[in-house]
Amino acid sequence: AQSVTQLGSHVSVSEGALVLLRCNYSSSVPPYLFWYVQYPNQGLQLLLKYTTGATLVKGINGFEAEFKKSETSFHLTKPSAHMSDAAEYFCAVSEGGYNKLIFGAGTRLAVHP
Amino acid sequence: GAVVSQHPSRVICKSGTSVKIECRSLDFQATTMFWYRQFPKQSLMLMATSNEGSKATYEQGVEKDKFLINHASLTLSTLTVTSAHPEDSSFYICSARIMGVSYNEQFFGPGTRLTVL
Repeated sequence: AQSVTQLGSHVSVSEGALVLLRCNYSSSVPPYLFWYVQYPNQGLQLLLKYTTGATLVKGINGFEAEFKKSETSFHLTKPSAHMSDAAEYFCAVSEGGYNKLIFGAGTRLAVHP
Repeated sequence: GAVVSQHPSRVICKSGTSVKIECRSLDFQATTMFWYRQFPKQSLMLMATSNEGSKATYEQGVEKDKFLINHASLTLSTLTVTSAHPEDSSFYICSARIMGVSYNEQFFGPGTRLTVL
C-alpha cells in the first residue's frame, strides 16, 4: 500500500533562509509525486509534480523538489524563504497515472522576519 | 485555466438537516471528481471518487447513504450530507481531474466549511 511520511509537522525559518520540507513515500510501483500548498481556509494549489523523466522538478514560486528513488524521497526546497511562503504543505503520491492521491500529514511552514 | 469552484464556501445547519455542496470545473471537463474531508490541522482524507454518469466509489469507512454523491455532468459533482450531525462538521474539499490527461493531476476547489449545530 502507498503511504507518505512528512517529517516535521512544523518548520520555522527566517526570511531569506533555505526552506527544506521532507517527504518520504512508499510505493510498490513507480510513483507519481506531488507537492501542494494550502493557505488558511482555502483549497490546495499544486506546487510541482514528478511523473517521469528528469528527477529534479521545478515548480511555482521558486520551489523545486528532487525525486530520489534510492532514498524513496521527494523533498521540497526553496533557496530563500519569503513571508508569503507561510502555509501548510502537503506531499502526495499516486501509484500510476489514474490511482487516487494519498496525502502526507502536512507540514506547516512559518517564516519569521 | 483549470479552475474548480465550490458552493457554498461556508454553511451552518441544524442537526438532522441535509446539506448539499456543489463542485464545478469552470473551464474544463472532468470525468472524475474527488471528495475529501479535512479535520482541523490534519491532512486530507479521500471520501469518494465520483465518475460522471456512474455511481461513486467510496473509501472504506465512509457511509454512502450518509454522503450522497452525484456526478450528473462533466462539470458538476454534488455531495449531500444527509441527516447531518455535529461530528460531520468539517472542511470538505473537492478536486477534479482533467479529461484525457495521462496522469493524476487534480485541481482543487477552495473548500466548504460545514458546521452542524
